[in-house]
Formats: sequence, structure tokens, C-alpha cells
Amino acid sequence: RKEVEQDPGPFNVPEGATVAFNCTYSNSASQSFFWYRQDCRKEPKLLMSVYSSGNEDGRFTAQLNRASQYISLLIRDSKLSDSATYLCVVNGNTGNQFYFGTGTSLTVIP
Amino acid sequence: DAGVIQSPRHEVTEMGQEVTLRCKPISGHDYLFWYRQTMMRGLELLIYFNNNVPIDDSGMPEDRFSAKMPNASFSTLKIQPSEPRDSAVYFCASSPSGGGEAFFGQGTRLTVV
Repeated sequence: RKEVEQDPGPFNVPEGATVAFNCTYSNSASQSFFWYRQDCRKEPKLLMSVYSSGNEDGRFTAQLNRASQYISLLIRDSKLSDSATYLCVVNGNTGNQFYFGTGTSLTVIP
Repeated sequence: DAGVIQSPRHEVTEMGQEVTLRCKPISGHDYLFWYRQTMMRGLELLIYFNNNVPIDDSGMPEDRFSAKMPNASFSTLKIQPSEPRDSAVYFCASSPSGGGEAFFGQGTRLTVV
């Protein structure tokens, strides 16, 4: 079983739409959770950390559900510039490995 | 800081040849990670180091792959002999602490023909 599983999409949404991604993880001992963004042919970059109480950064909201072992990312008022692949990241047993999901592709359409 | 620096950016080699990928982490970062990215499998963790010591190499696919970190500012990932199925983008990342943000280099796009 993979450490992290994501729906690969693609998600094609119009500008201004709200879109949500989910991700499940297998290791109940995981303590750190992140969402990364990867643009085409570029390296992944941190979008936001995910805290137990949920957290918001502008149009982006991340939530963690430990009981069900999933994390989510909500993007409100989608912009064309949000088009990218969004990677769910969970740390491993020792806390020092980062395991990435395969990513969810988002295209925002004018 | 210039960020994580990887070289070369692109590598095309023939099957059977040795390939060496290089990485310079961000100064002061204690953790260094090597990842491989393909369309089919996404980003796979190959190996990571803490203070230059390999901690977990369970993701290294075969004995043909080896990684070293002789000092805090340099790491290599070597494939010998290379095979077409090794074609992928190889990323190096570093982190100041194990559970925090990982900063990625721009990657090396490897093509084995």
C-alpha cells in the first residue's frame, strides 16, 4: 500500500470556482502534513503546512482528519495562475522522511 | 542563498553507461533527500541523509543505484549501469530539520537510450 494516495484528476474548473482535493495516508503515526505545488517541468514548492486545527492562507484552506487519515486542500475563487499539480506530503515513521502523493492536476479555464 | 543546486540539468546517456548526478544542498541544512519522479509513479523517495550519514535507503530501487554524501555541501547519486527504465527526473532536496519544509533543486532530467 502506498504511503500517500491522491486522485490524479485532472480537475478542469472555470475561473472563480471552488475546488477541493483530498489525500489519504497510511501511517497513523505521521505527524507532519503539507501541500506542495508543482508547475509544469519545475520543482515542487511548499504551498502550505497542514495543522491539526486546520489553517487558511488567503484563498487556500487546508484541513486534517486524523481519525480518517486524510488531508484536504480547498481553493476558493480559482485563478488561472492556480493551474498546477498539487502534491500531498506526509512524513514517515521517523519523522524525517517526506512521502509524496502522485499529485492532482488542476487546470483553471478562462 | 542560491538554493539547492543540481547538476547536470539534463543528461542523455546510452544504456550501460555510468551516470552521476550531483547536488549541493542549502548551507546549514542537516537533511538531504534524493527523489525520482516519473509520470507513472510520481515522486519516490530514494534515500535520505542526516548530517551526511545515510539514514534510509529503502527506496533505492536496485544495487545499480548508490548515493554518497562526503561532506555537508555535496552529494552524488550514481547509476551503474544505467537502463532505459531509469529515465526520469531526479530531484535533490534539503531541509533544516527532518519534519519541516523540504527545498528542492531544479532537478536532473535523465534519459537513457
